[in-house]
Amino acid sequence: DADVTQTPRNRITKTGKRIMLECSQTKGHDRMYWYRQDPGLGLQLIYYSFDVKDINKGEISDGYSVSRQAQAKFSLSLESAIPNQTALYFCATSETTSGASQYFGPGTRLLVL
Amino acid sequence: GNSVTQMEGPVTLSEEAFLTINCTYTATGYPSLFWYVQYPGEGLQLLLKATKADDKGSNKGFEATYRKETTSFHLEKGSVQVSDSAVYFCALRSYSGGGADGLTFGKGTHLIIQP
Repeated sequence: DADVTQTPRNRITKTGKRIMLECSQTKGHDRMYWYRQDPGLGLQLIYYSFDVKDINKGEISDGYSVSRQAQAKFSLSLESAIPNQTALYFCATSETTSGASQYFGPGTRLLVL
Repeated sequence: GNSVTQMEGPVTLSEEAFLTINCTYTATGYPSLFWYVQYPGEGLQLLLKATKADDKGSNKGFEATYRKETTSFHLEKGSVQVSDSAVYFCALRSYSGGGADGLTFGKGTHLIIQP
């Protein structure tokens, strides 16, 4: 089984709808992250969490919110989806150690019409 | 702030050719450096990393050396295969300067290997 899983893998929604993307991990890592990937732009950090009680904004948090329900679960919500949030979304985890690698889920492809 | 610049793609090579993908960075403090690879339709996989100056990361025939004096982390492979076709991302992670704890990515280089 994969260490980092994301659901759904693909989602089509309409402008103004609220949607939630979910991430689960079995690696036992405290730190979790949400990124979005746009063609030709690499990945950009949306939110990150050091543990269940510590959540921080990344570079592009506007229009998004997150919830860390447990060490293993980190959800990303779009309260009112808009077309420019159409992108590929990745969840990642890492250990706390300085310089630790991040491990990515398979991604959720979101299309907002 | 932190930034990563990598060569634009696509890069098209013949099988068994030598590969170099350039990556340079700007960062506060002492970053760790990474190369990730993304195969079509998949997530990112860690290819290699280096955590301090002069370290060499290596994996699956790929290598990259952390050069602090030139702020570079170029990816090399001596003989590429068709199965190496993918998008390669250079990234850094630095806690210094009060920035966010996340990876800063380059825009990615699409590598195409022709038989």
